[in-house]
Amino acid sequence: GAVVSQHPSRVICKSGTSVKIECRSLDFQATTMFWYRQFPKQSLMLMATSNEGSKATYEQGVEKDKFLINHASLTLSTLTVTSAHPEDSSFYICSARGAANEKLFFGSGTQLSVL
Amino acid sequence: KQEVTQIPAALSVPEGENLVLNCSFTDSAIYNLQWFRQDPGKGLTSLLLIQSSQREQTSGRLNASLDKSSGRSTLYIAASQPGDSATYLCAVHGGSQGNLIFGKGTKLSVKP
Repeated sequence: GAVVSQHPSRVICKSGTSVKIECRSLDFQATTMFWYRQFPKQSLMLMATSNEGSKATYEQGVEKDKFLINHASLTLSTLTVTSAHPEDSSFYICSARGAANEKLFFGSGTQLSVL
Repeated sequence: KQEVTQIPAALSVPEGENLVLNCSFTDSAIYNLQWFRQDPGKGLTSLLLIQSSQREQTSGRLNASLDKSSGRSTLYIAASQPGDSATYLCAVHGGSQGNLIFGKGTKLSVKP
């Protein structure tokens, strides 16, 4: 099956620093990628949707200037958490698909801890 | 607004038991429904995908059913094993963008 690679799997950083998370589709062209966030004991919540070559569409309540998403190629999307704060500590996971209505494939997730 | 609910939130069973996890959704206009497995601190593994036109899907000891009209899906796990211990997530796919809306999951513990 299709593979989505997400790195890093875990990151610990100081408050105020920026963290970049990469999501790569290894064996298919991902026209659309999604970024989710999961707080402890909560559902996975969609943060933003990005289509290759276009600006990301953010869900209500997600700050676009804080969570920078770049989807410059059909195989790579990045999420940068800028000026991270402890409340940004969460599990971030990306997913990708090719054409519309195709199955989504998920990365392995990134556990972010901001001290 | 689509909402997905999973019951129970947690379940503990002895090894070998058959069990059922429940998922309900409020808007029946879905493209498909997926069941995932999530191990602690790890990503998601897709278990079964049921298209809106289908009633059920089977994979090994897993069987998922879908009743779109009533907004319900069940995941049946036969002859449970300790390795089945994980959180099981239900997600519905609706809308042209294709994002998934997740339930909070059912945390399953299978005791040897």
